[in-house]
Amino acid sequence: GESVGLHLPTLSVQEGDNSIINCAYSNSASDYFIWYKQESGKGPQFIIDIRSNMDKRQGQRVTVLLNKTVKHLSLQIAATQPGDSAVYFCAENNGKGSGGSNYKLTFGKGTLLTVNP
Amino acid sequence: GAVVSQHPSWVICKSGTSVKIECRSLDFQATTMFWYRQFPKQSLMLMATSNEGSKATYEQGVEKDKFLINHASLTLSTLTVTSAHPEDSSFYICSARSLNTYEQYFGPGTRLTVT
Repeated sequence: GESVGLHLPTLSVQEGDNSIINCAYSNSASDYFIWYKQESGKGPQFIIDIRSNMDKRQGQRVTVLLNKTVKHLSLQIAATQPGDSAVYFCAENNGKGSGGSNYKLTFGKGTLLTVNP
Repeated sequence: GAVVSQHPSWVICKSGTSVKIECRSLDFQATTMFWYRQFPKQSLMLMATSNEGSKATYEQGVEKDKFLINHASLTLSTLTVTSAHPEDSSFYICSARSLNTYEQYFGPGTRLTVT
């Protein structure tokens, strides 16, 4: 099912610390996952993605881990900076449907990350 | 590359009127565009999927006669909120993908306020 909540989980960290944001996804058939960053009043911004045939992928200062056994996804941000403060969403694609619907995404509820200077 | 724009960025309209929101892919051809709605402190909820030249596919619970979607070209999709009511006030976001890619590129969103 979809994971939409009425309140946003929050994570507060000190500048320079590492941040870990977690996401439990719902569909065991999902084969593609993405993390997005959304700043207030803006559209989501792509951070990093991972396919289901991988369990780890690294980018610049970010790492995504995928545990298909427990349907869990995490985003690790190294040396968190004030500019990282935003809401972070995971999204999953299960590849079902025809045409463009094959690529539709289901978004998680999001986590508000606050970085304290 | 992969820039998606939306127009307007914000709009205020009176109850009962209709509002059109445009979504454009500026530097690629978007075979599929998606429309989302986001209420404050909530996640993005997919409203519909539109493929160029064909009818949109609406998610369960989304009224297709109220939210009219047109994807007339490979770079433009429009969402028209007809007979808008205050409960339609929300942040509307579009995304676009090109052929044979999973990745969706998101627009900056449109803030709709219905008074």
